[in-house]
Amino acid sequence: QSALTQPPSASGSPGQSVTISCTGTSSDVGGYNYVSWYQQHPGKAPKLMIYEVSKRPSGVPDRFSGSKSGNTASLTVSGLQAEDEADYYCSSYAGNNYVFGTGTKVTVL
Amino acid sequence: QVQLQQSGPGLVKPSQTLSLTCAISGDTVSSNSAGWHWIRQSPSRGLEWLGRTYYRSKWYNDYAVSVKSRITINPDTSKNQFSLQLNSVTPEDTAVYYCARSGKYAFNIWGHGTMVTVSS
Repeated sequence: QSALTQPPSASGSPGQSVTISCTGTSSDVGGYNYVSWYQQHPGKAPKLMIYEVSKRPSGVPDRFSGSKSGNTASLTVSGLQAEDEADYYCSSYAGNNYVFGTGTKVTVL
Repeated sequence: QVQLQQSGPGLVKPSQTLSLTCAISGDTVSSNSAGWHWIRQSPSRGLEWLGRTYYRSKWYNDYAVSVKSRITINPDTSKNQFSLQLNSVTPEDTAVYYCARSGKYAFNIWGHGTMVTVSS
């Protein structure tokens, strides 16, 4: 199972929006509505931000949103804040296994 | 709230077995709606799902193809925990290892992570 493809980096100024893509195949992203997104700060465990493509767990700000089209999922962070600077990873269920994305470092300028 | 507490050695010799345990509080390993996973992270391999155990009237396991011949994940209902055993380790297995709980096909609770180094 190959890793999902994400851009290595993305950036935006405070208050702006940034969108991160996550490209897989019909065996993972395209085959299931079970894409999730994780935020990871240095030295910390990942934190779930989005599940089932576009749903937010309790406590996650509505500035975070997710979507999917075909084999590509996207995470959008609107109204960027300093604390959003982190690494972001997508993940997809792939039929009795899971695959992660390569990760995107988001920088708040 | 649900918490996962990891334990195990941080240094393993090449060819030996890596063993980690994840103790669960606030939930049960026999939950009919959760899965219990091991995931690792290294600079060279990124985040890598290793496998899971889960209970749906009976116990099931799934493992990543990359480690399938070397991995065992076992639940321990008496201690409400689950474990990872990875045999015949090499320096390539050096990573931060996380246990995690899944619900709705997402990892909603993570352990704190254990840095495991494979070195003689």
